[in-house]
Amino acid sequence: KAGVTQTPRYLIKTRGQQVTLSCSPISGHRSVSWYQQTPGQGLQFLFEYFSETQRNKGNFPGRFSGRQFSNSRSEMNVSTLELGDSALYLCASSLTGSGKNIQYFGAGTRLSVL
Amino acid sequence: SQQGEEDPQALSIQEGENATMNCSYKTSINNLQWYRQNSGRGLVHLILIRSNEREKHSGRLRVTLDTSKKSSSLLITASRAADTASYFCATGGTASKLTFGTGTRLQVTL
Repeated sequence: KAGVTQTPRYLIKTRGQQVTLSCSPISGHRSVSWYQQTPGQGLQFLFEYFSETQRNKGNFPGRFSGRQFSNSRSEMNVSTLELGDSALYLCASSLTGSGKNIQYFGAGTRLSVL
Repeated sequence: SQQGEEDPQALSIQEGENATMNCSYKTSINNLQWYRQNSGRGLVHLILIRSNEREKHSGRLRVTLDTSKKSSSLLITASRAADTASYFCATGGTASKLTFGTGTRLQVTL
C-alpha cells in the first residue's frame, strides 16, 4: 500500500502570495489532518477533514483553509502569506480519524516565504 | 499549543547504549503515541499505548505510561546510529487531533 503523499515537497513564495498544498492519504483512509511544524512553536494541529467535512480546527487564522475531495485527497490553502508561515506542513491520514487510530504522516511540504 | 514537555531536549549516547526519553502531558488522554522524525522530514509512527495500558514493547522499544502522573517514557535499547532522530510523544483524545510534545533530539555516535 502506498503511504501518504504530499506535493510539492518544497515551495518558495513571497509575502502576500497564496499557496496550495496537496495530500493524498493511504488508500481506504477517510480522515486527513494537517499540522504545521516550526522551530518556535513545534508541531501544531491545523485542521482535520473527514468525508469532505472539516471536523476539527486548531487555533490558526482564517488565512489557513482546506478542503477534502470525494476520493479523500485533501488540499490546504494559505492566503496572503506572511514570513511567519514559513514551516514544514505535514499531512496525516487515518482510518476514521478517531483518537484511537494511528495517524500516518507524509514527508511534508517545506514552505519558505520570502 | 504544546501538550507538554519532553525531557531531555537533547540526548547524546554511544552506539549500544540505551536511550530513555520522558514525556509529560496536561489533560486526560485516550492514548499516547510516539513518533520519530529524521532531520525535518515526515513523522514515523513507533508505538501507541492506550490509557488503560501501563507498558508496551515493540522490538527494541519499550514504552511506559503513568496516567496518575500524566507521564510516559520511551526506552530504546541497544541504540544504533540509525536511531539518530527527534522523538515526539503525542496525545490523542476522542477526536483525531494529536497534541505533540516538544521533542527529544537523540544523537547516537559510533
